[in-house]
Amino acid sequence: AQKVTQAQTEISVVEKEDVTLDCVYETRDTTYYLFWYKQPPSGELVFLIRRNSFDEQNEISGRYSWNFQKSTSSFNFTITASQVVDSAVYFCALIVNRDDKIIFGKGTRLHILP
Amino acid sequence: GAGVSQTPSNKVTEKGKYVELRCDPISGHTALYWYRQSLGQGPEFLIYFQGTGAADDSGLPNDRFFAVRPEGSVSTLKIQRTERGDSAVYLCASSKSGPGANVLTFGAGSRLTVL
Repeated sequence: AQKVTQAQTEISVVEKEDVTLDCVYETRDTTYYLFWYKQPPSGELVFLIRRNSFDEQNEISGRYSWNFQKSTSSFNFTITASQVVDSAVYFCALIVNRDDKIIFGKGTRLHILP
Repeated sequence: GAGVSQTPSNKVTEKGKYVELRCDPISGHTALYWYRQSLGQGPEFLIYFQGTGAADDSGLPNDRFFAVRPEGSVSTLKIQRTERGDSAVYLCASSKSGPGANVLTFGAGSRLTVL
């Protein structure tokens, strides 16, 4: 069975600080995809990134970066120089290639304080 | 349309009543999904349609829940004899083809409150 764990329920940081959101996943499949979604107060889940299990390269997109490490089954998300608009709930998710259900973690609520 | 549209955005009903939630996916997206998100939790899978047929309904909690997609576009999630435990946000998503590598685009959800 697949599982995604986001151990941090809630994080608060002051604006301009860097913050890392942790994600640990479990699967026995060798082919899978990992995602991060952002859920602002409006409620709509916004896609941020997708990674396949064969691509361990870290990725940077503006202030966002992702660290994928298969050795520790982790897919962590870092926001550099955080801004108030980054305040949201962030979900890490997993889908295995032979399945059709995305498994979401419970989410991390991020508060960026001005 | 440009995005996934869900109606109503909010629905308050009494225990025992029947409820319908509607999802209008992105034009041309053949795959459609329903998820349920309870307070403080991540979305949980309910059902997946490929075209008009339900390819996987293993997430529906019981036979009070049913979903249709008769013409392969709009979908309706139907809940009979609602219970207080059904209160949640019901999210719809669509993708170009099947799941796996395809990115799901989510709607804003329908918040259901059962009194």
